[in-house]
Amino acid sequence: DGGITQSPKYLFRKEGQNVTLSCEQNLNHDAMYWYRQDPGQGLRLIYYSQIVNDFQKGDIAEGYSVSREKKESFPLTVTSAQKNPTAFYLCASSISPPGSSYNEQFFGPGTRLTVL
Amino acid sequence: QKEVEQNSGPLSVPEGAIASLNCTYSDRVSQSFFWYRQYSGKSPELIMSIYSNGDKEDGRFTAQLNKASQYVSLLIRDSQPSDSATYLCAVNDDTGRRALTFGSGTRLQVQP
Repeated sequence: DGGITQSPKYLFRKEGQNVTLSCEQNLNHDAMYWYRQDPGQGLRLIYYSQIVNDFQKGDIAEGYSVSREKKESFPLTVTSAQKNPTAFYLCASSISPPGSSYNEQFFGPGTRLTVL
Repeated sequence: QKEVEQNSGPLSVPEGAIASLNCTYSDRVSQSFFWYRQYSGKSPELIMSIYSNGDKEDGRFTAQLNKASQYVSLLIRDSQPSDSATYLCAVNDDTGRRALTFGSGTRLQVQP
C-alpha cells in the first residue's frame, strides 16, 4: 500500500522537552512538507524539502528543525524554543516535477501534539 | 503576504441540494488551485485540482476558476450528509518553493 505515515498519532510533551515527529512516504515523491494546523484555522507551512539533503524554512520555522537524509523520510523536531507547540501537525508530499506548476500534495494522518 | 480567503461558515444546505463554496486569492501569478476536504479530527484529503480558467468536473464535484477575478469555487451536486466537513482552498505558491497557501476553510453542513 502506497502512502504517507506519521507517528505517533498523539504526543504529549512536557515544558522544556524536544520531541520528534516521524513522517515516512513510499510514494517516491521528491518533495515533502510540514504544516501546522491550529483549531479553526488553515494550514501554515513550517518547513519543506524538494530534494534529499536540502530543506528550506517555511512561514513559521522558529522553534522547529528538520532533516532530509533519505527521500522517504522527513522528521520534524519541535524544540523547547517553540513557545506554543500544541497543534495538529501534518506532513505532506508531492511529485513536484521541476519547472511544473503541478503540485498536488497528499497528506499523512497527522500527529496531535499537546504540551502538558 | 499571499492570502487565501474563505467564508468560515457554517454553510448549511439540505440533502440533495447544490453546495457552493467560494475562495478568493490575492496573488495574481498563482497558477494551481486545490480543494481539500477535512473531516473533524482527520487530515485533509485532496478532492479537486484546477489549473486553467473554466470548469472542471469530477463526479458530483465541479471546480470553477476565474483568474481575472481571482476566485475559485467548488460546487457539490446532490449533497449528502457524508459531505459534511470543512473544505480548504489552497493555492500554489509561485515563488519557486512550490508550497501551498491555505485558506482557513468553510464548514459545510448537509441536513438530512
